[in-house]
Amino acid sequence: AQSVAQPEDQVNVAEGNPLTVKCTYSVSGNPYLFWYVQYPNRGLQFLLKYITGDNLVKGSYGFEAEFNKSQTSFHLKKPSALVSDSALYFCAVRDSSNTGKLIFGQGTTLQVKP
Amino acid sequence: DGGITQSPKYLFRKEGQNVTLSCEQNLNHDAMYWYRQDPGQGLRLIYYSQIVNDFQKGDIAEGYSVSREKKESFPLTVTSAQKNPTAFYLCASSSGMGTEAFFGQGTRLTVV
Repeated sequence: AQSVAQPEDQVNVAEGNPLTVKCTYSVSGNPYLFWYVQYPNRGLQFLLKYITGDNLVKGSYGFEAEFNKSQTSFHLKKPSALVSDSALYFCAVRDSSNTGKLIFGQGTTLQVKP
Repeated sequence: DGGITQSPKYLFRKEGQNVTLSCEQNLNHDAMYWYRQDPGQGLRLIYYSQIVNDFQKGDIAEGYSVSREKKESFPLTVTSAQKNPTAFYLCASSSGMGTEAFFGQGTRLTVV
Protein backbone atom coordinates (compact mmCIF):
# COMPACT_ATOMS: atom_id res chain seq x y z
CA ALA A 1 0.00 0.00 0.00
CA GLN A 2 1.08 3.55 -0.65
CA SER A 3 2.00 5.53 2.49
CA VAL A 4 4.08 8.38 3.86
CA ALA A 5 5.45 8.75 7.37
CA GLN A 6 6.74 11.87 9.07
CA PRO A 7 8.07 10.55 12.37
CA GLU A 8 8.37 13.91 14.16
CA ASP A 9 5.30 15.92 15.16
CA GLN A 10 7.51 18.94 15.86
CA VAL A 11 11.05 20.04 15.13
CA ASN A 12 12.65 22.88 17.08
CA VAL A 13 15.74 24.67 15.83
CA ALA A 14 17.51 27.93 16.56
CA GLU A 15 17.67 30.60 13.89
CA GLY A 16 20.79 30.24 11.80
CA ASN A 17 21.19 26.54 12.52
CA PRO A 18 20.60 23.83 9.91
CA LEU A 19 17.25 22.08 9.92
CA THR A 20 16.03 18.65 8.84
CA VAL A 21 12.44 17.45 8.59
CA LYS A 22 12.19 13.71 8.05
CA CYS A 23 10.02 11.75 5.63
CA THR A 24 9.90 8.09 4.67
CA TYR A 25 7.60 6.50 2.11
CA SER A 26 6.27 3.19 0.85
CA VAL A 27 5.17 2.58 -2.75
CA SER A 28 5.11 -0.39 -5.08
CA GLY A 29 6.42 1.45 -8.12
CA ASN A 30 8.80 4.36 -8.50
CA PRO A 31 7.98 7.27 -6.23
CA TYR A 32 7.19 10.83 -7.13
CA LEU A 33 7.94 12.81 -3.97
CA PHE A 34 6.89 16.30 -2.91
CA TRP A 35 7.30 18.74 -0.04
CA TYR A 36 4.73 21.40 0.83
CA VAL A 37 4.47 24.11 3.48
CA GLN A 38 1.30 25.37 5.15
CA TYR A 39 0.77 28.58 7.11
CA PRO A 40 -2.18 28.85 9.53
CA ASN A 41 -5.63 28.61 7.93
CA ARG A 42 -4.19 28.57 4.42
CA GLY A 43 -3.75 26.09 1.61
CA LEU A 44 -0.51 24.27 0.94
CA GLN A 45 2.37 25.80 -0.99
CA PHE A 46 4.69 23.66 -3.09
CA LEU A 47 8.38 23.67 -2.10
CA LEU A 48 10.11 21.02 -4.21
CA LYS A 49 9.79 17.62 -5.86
CA TYR A 50 11.76 14.56 -6.86
CA ILE A 51 10.74 12.76 -10.04
CA THR A 52 13.96 11.29 -11.37
CA GLY A 53 17.63 12.16 -11.77
CA ASP A 54 19.85 13.83 -9.20
CA ASN A 55 19.09 12.67 -5.66
CA LEU A 56 19.53 16.17 -4.24
CA VAL A 57 16.78 18.53 -5.33
CA LYS A 58 16.62 22.24 -4.63
CA GLY A 59 13.44 24.19 -4.15
CA SER A 60 11.91 27.42 -2.99
CA TYR A 61 13.16 29.62 -0.12
CA GLY A 62 16.53 27.83 0.13
CA PHE A 63 15.07 24.42 0.92
CA GLU A 64 16.47 21.21 -0.49
CA ALA A 65 15.71 17.51 -0.10
CA GLU A 66 17.68 14.32 -0.57
CA PHE A 67 16.13 11.24 -2.11
CA ASN A 68 17.52 7.99 -0.71
CA LYS A 69 16.10 4.95 -2.46
CA SER A 70 17.68 2.35 -0.20
CA GLN A 71 16.31 4.01 2.92
CA THR A 72 13.05 5.05 1.18
CA SER A 73 13.50 8.54 2.57
CA PHE A 74 13.11 12.09 1.31
CA HIS A 75 14.24 14.40 4.12
CA LEU A 76 13.78 18.16 3.81
CA LYS A 77 16.78 20.31 4.70
CA LYS A 78 17.91 23.91 4.93
CA PRO A 79 21.44 25.04 5.81
CA SER A 80 20.37 28.05 7.87
CA ALA A 81 16.89 28.34 9.38
CA LEU A 82 14.90 31.57 9.57
CA VAL A 83 12.18 32.47 12.07
CA SER A 84 9.88 32.93 9.07
CA ASP A 85 10.36 29.24 8.17
CA SER A 86 8.18 28.35 11.16
CA ALA A 87 5.18 26.53 9.69
CA LEU A 88 3.64 23.10 9.10
CA TYR A 89 5.47 20.94 6.55
CA PHE A 90 4.01 18.03 4.60
CA CYS A 91 5.68 15.30 2.61
CA ALA A 92 3.64 13.63 -0.16
CA VAL A 93 4.08 10.73 -2.58
CA ARG A 94 2.56 9.48 -5.81
CA ASP A 95 3.13 5.90 -6.88
CA SER A 96 4.09 5.71 -10.55
CA SER A 97 2.36 2.34 -10.89
CA ASN A 98 -1.12 3.46 -9.92
CA THR A 99 -3.71 6.01 -10.97
CA GLY A 100 -2.12 9.12 -9.55
CA LYS A 101 -3.33 8.95 -5.98
CA LEU A 102 -1.47 11.64 -3.99
CA ILE A 103 -0.91 10.72 -0.36
CA PHE A 104 0.34 13.03 2.40
CA GLY A 105 2.12 12.45 5.66
CA GLN A 106 0.76 13.71 8.97
CA GLY A 107 2.82 16.86 8.89
CA THR A 108 5.67 18.23 10.99
CA THR A 109 5.51 21.57 12.76
CA LEU A 110 8.77 23.45 12.42
CA GLN A 111 9.49 25.99 15.15
CA VAL A 112 12.48 28.28 14.57
CA LYS A 113 13.42 30.33 17.63
CA PRO A 114 15.36 33.60 17.48
CA ASP B 1 -4.86 35.08 -12.83
CA GLY B 2 -4.62 31.27 -12.76
CA GLY B 3 -5.39 29.23 -9.70
CA ILE B 4 -7.85 27.26 -7.63
CA THR B 5 -10.79 28.88 -5.92
CA GLN B 6 -12.63 27.30 -3.04
CA SER B 7 -15.86 28.73 -1.71
CA PRO B 8 -17.11 29.55 0.76
CA LYS B 9 -14.19 30.16 3.11
CA TYR B 10 -16.36 29.38 6.15
CA LEU B 11 -19.44 27.18 6.20
CA PHE B 12 -21.80 26.27 8.99
CA ARG B 13 -24.01 23.21 8.78
CA LYS B 14 -26.83 22.05 10.95
CA GLU B 15 -26.89 18.40 11.86
CA GLY B 16 -28.74 16.35 9.25
CA GLN B 17 -28.10 18.79 6.39
CA ASN B 18 -26.18 18.19 3.22
CA VAL B 19 -23.77 20.94 2.17
CA THR B 20 -21.73 21.41 -0.99
CA LEU B 21 -18.24 22.86 -1.13
CA SER B 22 -17.16 24.45 -4.38
CA CYS B 23 -13.80 24.01 -6.09
CA GLU B 24 -13.00 25.66 -9.42
CA GLN B 25 -9.68 25.75 -11.28
CA ASN B 26 -8.61 27.62 -14.39
CA LEU B 27 -5.24 25.90 -14.74
CA ASN B 28 -6.50 23.40 -17.34
CA HIS B 29 -5.48 20.55 -15.03
CA ASP B 30 -6.87 17.08 -15.60
CA ALA B 31 -6.57 15.80 -12.03
CA MET B 32 -8.40 17.18 -9.01
CA TYR B 33 -8.42 16.14 -5.36
CA TRP B 34 -10.33 16.69 -2.13
CA TYR B 35 -8.61 16.38 1.26
CA ARG B 36 -9.81 16.69 4.80
CA GLN B 37 -7.46 18.17 7.43
CA ASP B 38 -7.93 17.56 11.14
CA PRO B 39 -5.43 18.63 13.81
CA GLY B 40 -2.68 16.05 14.23
CA GLN B 41 -3.92 13.89 11.36
CA GLY B 42 -2.46 15.60 8.35
CA LEU B 43 -4.32 15.52 5.04
CA ARG B 44 -6.56 12.58 4.30
CA LEU B 45 -7.75 11.90 0.76
CA ILE B 46 -11.53 11.90 0.30
CA TYR B 47 -11.96 11.63 -3.48
CA TYR B 48 -9.86 12.22 -6.55
CA SER B 49 -10.55 12.54 -10.25
CA GLN B 50 -8.06 11.97 -13.06
CA ILE B 51 -10.40 13.01 -15.86
CA VAL B 52 -13.83 14.47 -16.52
CA ASN B 53 -16.74 12.14 -15.68
CA ASP B 54 -14.52 9.81 -13.67
CA PHE B 55 -13.52 9.80 -10.00
CA GLN B 56 -12.25 7.38 -7.38
CA LYS B 57 -12.71 7.04 -3.65
CA GLY B 58 -9.84 7.98 -1.43
CA ASP B 59 -9.18 6.73 2.07
CA ILE B 60 -12.16 8.37 3.82
CA ALA B 61 -14.95 8.62 1.21
CA GLU B 62 -17.81 7.49 3.44
CA GLY B 63 -20.35 10.28 3.94
CA TYR B 64 -19.07 12.31 1.00
CA SER B 65 -19.96 12.52 -2.68
CA VAL B 66 -18.44 14.31 -5.69
CA SER B 67 -19.10 14.98 -9.35
CA ARG B 68 -16.81 15.90 -12.24
CA GLU B 69 -19.03 17.10 -15.05
CA LYS B 70 -16.59 19.80 -16.17
CA LYS B 71 -12.82 19.84 -16.24
CA GLU B 72 -12.60 22.99 -14.16
CA SER B 73 -15.07 22.02 -11.42
CA PHE B 74 -15.00 19.34 -8.70
CA PRO B 75 -17.66 20.03 -6.03
CA LEU B 76 -17.74 18.04 -2.80
CA THR B 77 -21.00 17.29 -0.99
CA VAL B 78 -20.83 16.50 2.69
CA THR B 79 -23.89 14.41 3.39
CA SER B 80 -25.79 13.82 6.60
CA ALA B 81 -24.17 10.38 6.69
CA GLN B 82 -20.84 11.99 7.60
CA LYS B 83 -21.01 11.88 11.39
CA ASN B 84 -18.10 14.17 12.18
CA PRO B 85 -17.84 16.70 9.35
CA THR B 86 -16.25 19.57 11.25
CA ALA B 87 -12.86 20.02 9.57
CA PHE B 88 -10.79 22.07 7.14
CA TYR B 89 -11.34 20.94 3.55
CA LEU B 90 -8.73 21.45 0.85
CA CYS B 91 -9.10 21.08 -2.90
CA ALA B 92 -6.13 20.60 -5.22
CA SER B 93 -5.39 20.03 -8.88
CA SER B 94 -2.45 18.84 -10.96
CA SER B 95 -1.64 18.30 -14.61
CA GLY B 96 0.07 14.92 -14.44
CA MET B 97 1.75 12.21 -12.42
CA GLY B 98 5.10 13.94 -12.09
CA THR B 99 3.74 17.41 -11.46
CA GLU B 100 3.04 19.18 -8.21
CA ALA B 101 -0.49 19.82 -7.00
CA PHE B 102 -1.82 23.33 -6.56
CA PHE B 103 -4.09 23.98 -3.60
CA GLY B 104 -7.01 26.23 -2.90
CA GLN B 105 -7.21 28.28 0.30
CA GLY B 106 -9.59 25.85 1.96
CA THR B 107 -13.09 25.78 3.41
CA ARG B 108 -13.61 25.48 7.14
CA LEU B 109 -16.80 23.55 7.83
CA THR B 110 -18.38 23.64 11.27
CA VAL B 111 -21.43 21.73 12.45
CA VAL B 112 -23.70 23.82 14.67
